[in-house]
Amino acid sequence: AQTVTQSQPEMSVQEAETVTLSCTYDTSENNYYLFWYKQPPSRQMILVIRQEAYKQQNATENRFSVNFQKAAKSFSLKISDSQLGDTAMYFCAFMKPLNTGNQFYFGTGTSLTVIP
Amino acid sequence: ETGVTQSPTHLIKTRGQQVTLRCSSQSGHNTVSWYQQALGQGPQFIFQYYREEENGRGNFPPRFSGLQFPNYSSELNVNALELDDSALYLCASSLRAGVRRETQYFGPGTRLLVL
Repeated sequence: AQTVTQSQPEMSVQEAETVTLSCTYDTSENNYYLFWYKQPPSRQMILVIRQEAYKQQNATENRFSVNFQKAAKSFSLKISDSQLGDTAMYFCAFMKPLNTGNQFYFGTGTSLTVIP
Repeated sequence: ETGVTQSPTHLIKTRGQQVTLRCSSQSGHNTVSWYQQALGQGPQFIFQYYREEENGRGNFPPRFSGLQFPNYSSELNVNALELDDSALYLCASSLRAGVRRETQYFGPGTRLLVL
């Protein structure tokens, strides 16, 4: 079974600074997808960034980027120029595509607070 | 394009009852997944529906069942409710095709409380 581990339950960062959230996963699969989702207090889950395992290049979306280390099974999220609106719960997720359907696994989340 | 919507937003039931939660997928999406998110935890995958058939299931008992309709909307049914079923239930839709396939878009969730 796949597991996703987020070892930082809570983090804080000063506004405009950079913060990195950690995620590790355990799998024997070679083909999979990784995601970071953000869940603000309003609770609607929002996709932040996505990475295909077969791509060596790290994904980037504006201020958000990942450091994908496939051999180490590590998938960290870097948020640059942190903004107050980045305050939220962040979940790392792993998806294994199957012919019979896709399986998704989420970590327990990291609560990020951006301090003015 | 319209986003994912869920109803109701909140629900209170008693142990042993049955509940039905509803989800309308994002316009153009053909796949719906359901998750249970207990307080302080990450979402746990319940199952996924694609073209009206269950297409992937997590570690949940058979009393958790679902349906997907021709318009790709979906229902989650839970029978014989237990106290531990109290959670936020999230629905996510996706399109199983194209460059952005498998990226899920979540609804706001239904908060279920079982007394």
